[in-house]
Amino acid sequence: SQTIHQWPATLVQPVGSPLSLECTVEGTSNPNLYWYRQAAGRGLQLLFYSVGIGQISSEVPQNLSASRPQDRQFILSSKKLLLSDSGFYLCAWSGQGETGELFFGEGSRLTVL
Amino acid sequence: KNQVEQSPQSLIILEGKNCTLQCNYTVSPFSNLRWYKQDTGRGPVSLTIMTFSENTKSNRRYTATLDADTKQSSLHITASQLSDSASYICVVSDPGGYNKLIFGAGTRLAVHP
Repeated sequence: SQTIHQWPATLVQPVGSPLSLECTVEGTSNPNLYWYRQAAGRGLQLLFYSVGIGQISSEVPQNLSASRPQDRQFILSSKKLLLSDSGFYLCAWSGQGETGELFFGEGSRLTVL
Repeated sequence: KNQVEQSPQSLIILEGKNCTLQCNYTVSPFSNLRWYKQDTGRGPVSLTIMTFSENTKSNRRYTATLDADTKQSSLHITASQLSDSASYICVVSDPGGYNKLIFGAGTRLAVHP
């Protein structure tokens, strides 16, 4: 069966420090991978998605970047965190095709102080 | 602009009671609509998917309806349990492809004993 792992679960970082959130998927190959951010009282916002190794699409201009060094690995990064980067980050995967179900990781709670 | 609006924002019911959550969308053309359940601090999990031709679909105590003409969906929960306490998120497929989805802000349901 397929599983998705995301870590760390919680993170408290000072402003200006770097960030690295990692996500891996097991039990499937060539998945579509996504990073979402969830703000309180608002819908999930798509940050990045990837349909293959080295292929990254950014949905909104921001202080974050994403990379996909391996087929089932997706990394969310920042060189210098801002206060506004605080939030709940979710990694997700889906099979190929436009109507595939999204399978989410457990989420990472980032607090920037 | 493609939007998904959910109501109510929050709801409190007593254990054993029924409730209905609403979702209105403006996404066009329409591909599918999903309801997700998100426990606090966890990733969302899909409950059901509704395609254009489906009017009603049941999954245990959850029944989803879809009216593609009025662009409305509902999620009815029967005989609520304490474990139903969660946020319920309505998600509509964006015609932009690659599983780009429009998320509602969710309804936060609290089931009290």
